[in-house]
Amino acid sequence: ETGVTQSPTHLIKTRGQQVTLRCSSQSGHNTVSWYQQALGQGPQFIFQYYREEENGRGNFPPRFSGLQFPNYSSELNVNALELDDSALYLCASSLSGGSTDTQYFGPGTRLTVL
Amino acid sequence: DAKTTQPTSMDCAEGRAANLPCNHSTISGNEYVYWYRQIHSQGPQYIIHGLKNNETNEMASLIITEDRKSSTLILPHATLRDTAVYYCIVRADWGAQKLVFGQGTRLTINP
Repeated sequence: ETGVTQSPTHLIKTRGQQVTLRCSSQSGHNTVSWYQQALGQGPQFIFQYYREEENGRGNFPPRFSGLQFPNYSSELNVNALELDDSALYLCASSLSGGSTDTQYFGPGTRLTVL
Repeated sequence: DAKTTQPTSMDCAEGRAANLPCNHSTISGNEYVYWYRQIHSQGPQYIIHGLKNNETNEMASLIITEDRKSSTLILPHATLRDTAVYYCIVRADWGAQKLVFGQGTRLTINP
């Protein structure tokens, strides 16, 4: 069974740029959730994708957007990067509609905005 | 906002049981209690979850009080590798099912 993977591991961008982060869900899972974790804080929910549609969103501006593909992998896109976007970005996959929908996290992508 | 309250930090001796408390006095009937832990700069690791019965798996035991207003995560024989931030999360079993993380408990296992 393959776990959740994310790429890249680390990324450095400058203000105003755009970034795309990728997540491959655990085999058998159909739902992907994205979280942002600032230094010293707990993860904050960004949004969730189920069946290629956004299925819930946290308090993040529209410049945070996402996609889910037919193979259930997902992308997180952030436009017009700001310094405060520097954080660990985590994705978690789960199986909606199954006997349990526990979310399993990937290792994260560390984004630094200069 | 997180619906749980946890101590900021705890210490435990290696080999002893670590008991991590969590208060969730406003928990609803359809909400589960989940525990995750996060070792420095890694993704959160799922530990265990429960609704109202006590649960045990290979990692830990979860004891939920009868009124469901609090719970305790027990690591039976703590090792140095159990040093991490432990998050107690209350989550509904419907909707987007997002996890709302608080500050968690920083558990330090001492040799």
